[in-house]
Amino acid sequence: ETGVTQSPTHLIKTRGQQVTLRCSSQSGHNTVSWYQQALGQGPQFIFQYYREEENGRGNFPPRFSGLQFPNYSSELNVNALELDDSALYLCASSLAVGGSHTGELFFGEGSRLTVL
Amino acid sequence: AQSVTQLDSQVPVFEEAPVELRCNYSSSVSVYLFWYVQYPNQGLQLLLKYLSGSTLVKGINGFEAEFNKSQTSFHLRKPSVHISDTAEYFCAVSRNTGGFKTIFGAGTRLFVKA
Repeated sequence: ETGVTQSPTHLIKTRGQQVTLRCSSQSGHNTVSWYQQALGQGPQFIFQYYREEENGRGNFPPRFSGLQFPNYSSELNVNALELDDSALYLCASSLAVGGSHTGELFFGEGSRLTVL
Repeated sequence: AQSVTQLDSQVPVFEEAPVELRCNYSSSVSVYLFWYVQYPNQGLQLLLKYLSGSTLVKGINGFEAEFNKSQTSFHLRKPSVHISDTAEYFCAVSRNTGGFKTIFGAGTRLFVKA
């Protein structure tokens, strides 16, 4: 069983640039959630994708966008980067069946973004 | 909307002592409750979960938690900690119907001293 993998593991960008982070979900999972974890804080929910559609969004501006592909992998895109976007970005996959969620999230090790 | 409050940001404890990490939640609907652990420079790993049934839930590494609906709490306990339990612990909540969003608390840093 392949776990959740994220790429890149580390990256450095400058203010105003754009970044794309990628996530391969665990085999058999159909739901992907993205979280932002600033240093010393808990993960903050950005959004979730289920069956290639956004299925819930946290309190993040529209410059945070995403995609889910037919193979359930996902991308997180952030435009017009700001210094405060520096954080660990976590992807988590899970399984939803018949409109019900099984509960557990399986996390990747994250992509650490530094914005200078 | 759901929210989670972890009452202690840091908990220092000596090795082999018992520990309790406190978590309170707020929700207007029925919820699932979770505890996750995060080791340095890693993602989060599930320790245990409450979905329904028995209010005492046992997880990995000797941890357990008790769901208390009247007090809206889900405290995590371990009777005897090891140095290797040093990590960040997160309590989390999600609705059990109509949406899958999981909300995390701010975390509790458990530091086990020799």
